Amino acid sequence: AQSVTQLDSQVPVFEEAPVELRCNYSSSVSVYLFWYVQYPNQGLQLLLKYLSGSTLVKGINGFEAEFNKSQTSFHLRKPSVHISDTAEYFCAVRSSGSARQLTFGSGTQLTVLP
Amino acid sequence: DVKVTQSSRYLVKRTGEKVFLECVQDMDHENMFWYRQDPGLGLRLIYFSYDVKMKEKGDIPEGYSVSREKKERFSLILESASTNQTSMYLCASYTGKSEKLFFGSGTQLSVL
Repeated sequence: AQSVTQLDSQVPVFEEAPVELRCNYSSSVSVYLFWYVQYPNQGLQLLLKYLSGSTLVKGINGFEAEFNKSQTSFHLRKPSVHISDTAEYFCAVRSSGSARQLTFGSGTQLTVLP
Repeated sequence: DVKVTQSSRYLVKRTGEKVFLECVQDMDHENMFWYRQDPGLGLRLIYFSYDVKMKEKGDIPEGYSVSREKKERFSLILESASTNQTSMYLCASYTGKSEKLFFGSGTQLSVL
């Protein structure tokens, strides 16, 4: 079985400040990891993914995440946020040997304040 | 880019009604999914389909059924809607080539 824990349900941050959204996962096998973003009144879209190789993954809109196997984490970071980054962010995991299912975390609402 | 279209953005139904939520994708993906999204719970998988007429239960299938008669269309059916099925429903299709889910914009269902 696999699971995902997003440690913060809400993260308020001022514009141009750095931000980190935390994600921890559990799985007994190797995993693929994802961050999806949901802007207001829209569906989710893929922000970035880790499948293999370099543990530092860069995504769209200046976001990046680092896969840490020993700490079973995949935290999302951005050095300087904009108002337009206000959205809900979901971490997701898929075990590499499983079917096509993803398990999503409960989400983190990022609110960027002027 | 892939387009996943959900037939209704908002839907209001009465308890006991049969409800159909439709989803269509235009990129010939084999895999399609229905999730429900509730505050604080994230996305939970209801059903998925990996081919025409093929389906598998997800984490919360109770009270739901699905139909996939054509590759591009995946329907979610609430046989007898109940108030605890008030939620945002998201459809998605998947390609293993890019390991990516493509989501529709969602249907907010209210059961009164």
